[in-house]
Amino acid sequence: DIQMTQSPSSLSASVGDRVTITCRASQSIGSYLNWYQQKPGRAPKLLIYATSNLQSGVPSRFSGSGFRTDFTLTITSLQPEDFAIYFCQQSHNTPFTYGPGTKVDVK
Amino acid sequence: QVQLQQSGPGLVKPSQTLSLTCTISGDSVSSNDVSWNWIRQSPSRGLEWLGRTYYRSKWIHHYALSVESRMTISQDTSKNQFSLQLNSVTPEDTAVYYCARDWQGLLGVLDPWGQGTLVTVSS
Repeated sequence: DIQMTQSPSSLSASVGDRVTITCRASQSIGSYLNWYQQKPGRAPKLLIYATSNLQSGVPSRFSGSGFRTDFTLTITSLQPEDFAIYFCQQSHNTPFTYGPGTKVDVK
Repeated sequence: QVQLQQSGPGLVKPSQTLSLTCTISGDSVSSNDVSWNWIRQSPSRGLEWLGRTYYRSKWIHHYALSVESRMTISQDTSKNQFSLQLNSVTPEDTAVYYCARDWQGLLGVLDPWGQGTLVTVSS
C-alpha cells in the first residue's frame, strides 16, 4: 500500500493568515492526490482533486499543487470556517490511502 | 444534489456481523459513471478505504486486502442502496463508517459522503 504522510500534524493560525500543508507519498502517484476537510462530528468534504482542481463550491482561497510524491495545500487567507482537519488521499491505486491529517486551529 | 443516508446499528457484539446500508438520492446505484465506496475512520487507524461496488454491464466489487476475507458489499437496485457486511468483528473494527460516491468513476474522488455511523464492537 502507498503510505501518505503530512506535515505539520497541527498548526495554529489566525484569520487572514496564509496556511500551507504538505503531503508526501511513499511512491510516485503522479497527480492522483485529493484533499479533504473535516470538521468535528462531520464527514470529510472534498476540497481539491487531481492535485489542483477545485471541487465545485469550494472557495478560491484554497489551492493545491505538486506532482509525483510531494504535494501542497494552500489557504491564502484563512477564514473562521476553515479551522478544521485536512487530509490528503492518494487515488493512484487501491487501496486508496490517506494521510494522518493536519489540524488547523486558532492561534 | 446527491445525498447519501446511512443506516444500521451502532453496537455489534464481537464475532458477529456488522451491517450498514447507504441509501442514495439524486443518483443511481446502477450508474455506469460512478462507484460506491465504504470508508472507516478510527483514532488508531485513521481513514481507511474498505471497498467499492460499481456497475459496468455487471456488478463488480473491490475490497481492501485488510478486510477482503470478511467483507461483502452488495447493492439493492429496487431501493437504490448499497450495503456493507463485515463478518467476525472484533473491537479493532470499532470506527465511524462512511459511505461515499466516487463521482469520477474509479478515480477515488469521493464526494459526497454519508453522515457517518459510529459502530462500536463490544459485548
